Amino acid sequence: EVQLVESGGGLVQPGGSLRLSCAASGFTFSSFAMTWVRQAQGKGLEWVASISGTGGSTFYADSVKGRFTLSRDNSENTLYLEMKGLRAEDTATYYCAKDGKRTTCYDHWGQGALVTVSS
Amino acid sequence: DIQMTQSPSSLSASVGDRVTVTCRASQSISIYLNWYQQRPGKVPKLLIYAASSLQSGVPSRFSGSGSGTDFTLTISSLQPEDFATYYCQQSYGAPFTFGPGTKVDI
Repeated sequence: EVQLVESGGGLVQPGGSLRLSCAASGFTFSSFAMTWVRQAQGKGLEWVASISGTGGSTFYADSVKGRFTLSRDNSENTLYLEMKGLRAEDTATYYCAKDGKRTTCYDHWGQGALVTVSS
Repeated sequence: DIQMTQSPSSLSASVGDRVTVTCRASQSISIYLNWYQQRPGKVPKLLIYAASSLQSGVPSRFSGSGSGTDFTLTISSLQPEDFATYYCQQSYGAPFTFGPGTKVDI
């Protein structure tokens, strides 16, 4: 059974930093791209960033480019999202998601990690 | 970047109704279109990928169609558990944008 468990969320001041982790199990982690999607309270889904299975390619939304860094440790089956220069508008639940086999789609999701940026 | 729009933004329906949600891309995305369902307080769930392929375990009352810029999600006979918000997403190229969502309620 595929499981994705996020951790590292919390309250941080504007301009601060936070690192989210996503521990994966139940599938061959290195064979799949992984993605972070966020959702502000009462709002829609926003794609944040994706990384290839090898970690060699990363893609970011313009809203986080230059502030967020996505990485993965395939030996530990863990995905990371390093967030710096956090802003109030980054406040959201961050979901870790596994990409599909044949096409870019998110077939499994974690339960989410809440990030609150506030003074 | 590719922009995604959905219509309607919300709709009211009854159990047993046939429901159609439309998604439009700002440029051609071939069949690189996915649909997700999000029930209140729950994690999003993949329903349809590649415009018309049903994700494993998803009931056959859900179907998707379209290509290019115009896509449709159809629920053939609405069930109580289908009251949720539905999002389309383009997977043609990064950034992999989502539509704003369509809320289906009673």
